[in-house]
Amino acid sequence: DVKVTQSSRYLVKRTGEKVFLECVQDMDHENMFWYRQDPGLGLRLIYFSYDVKMKEKGDIPEGYSVSREKKERFSLILESASTNQTSMYLCASSFSSGSFIYYEQYFGPGTRLTVT
Amino acid sequence: AQTVTQSQPEMSVQEAETVTLSCTYDTSESDYYLFWYKQPPSRQMILVIRQEAYKQQNATENRFSVNFQKAAKSFSLKISDSQLGDAAMYFCAYKGPGHGATNKLIFGTGTLLAVQP
Repeated sequence: DVKVTQSSRYLVKRTGEKVFLECVQDMDHENMFWYRQDPGLGLRLIYFSYDVKMKEKGDIPEGYSVSREKKERFSLILESASTNQTSMYLCASSFSSGSFIYYEQYFGPGTRLTVT
Repeated sequence: AQTVTQSQPEMSVQEAETVTLSCTYDTSESDYYLFWYKQPPSRQMILVIRQEAYKQQNATENRFSVNFQKAAKSFSLKISDSQLGDAAMYFCAYKGPGHGATNKLIFGTGTLLAVQP
């Protein structure tokens, strides 16, 4: 079974702190994603990565950065946390064949971040 | 830009009954994928069912089936013989054509399904 793990289920941080959210997948997937989930807004893509050291902005990248130094690990960084970044953060990964076949995304359990 | 709309924020169904969750989408593409994801309380999101736009036949997975109406841009999920374990948030999602770096899903806002015993 594909396993996507996230470093914390719950996290409480103060405004202005630097926050690291880590995601690890064990299936050698090329693609990794960070989403933010808010009530009434669904899931919105923050960043994604299709290879080591490669990244692309999603729909809401402002206030976030990412790092992918190893294939299995994708980190989301909040440089200076703000209260409007209080949310559920979901990581996902998927295989990429380079063809037009689409492979499903597998999700982690999520990290509920509260910024006070 | 592509959008996905789920107009039912919450739904309720009796155990063993059938329920249909609605989803509409907007796209100018002719080739794309549609998905229903399930997110149980405090558990990981999992894929329930997928539909390729070029396929005319509606996808089915055990008790889950879809009604895909391409011209109407509608993609509803039917859950038959509802079980308590079906209680979850359900998300409809769209993926356009392309591959590699464009493996981007667009999600609806979700429908929270309650199953009454």
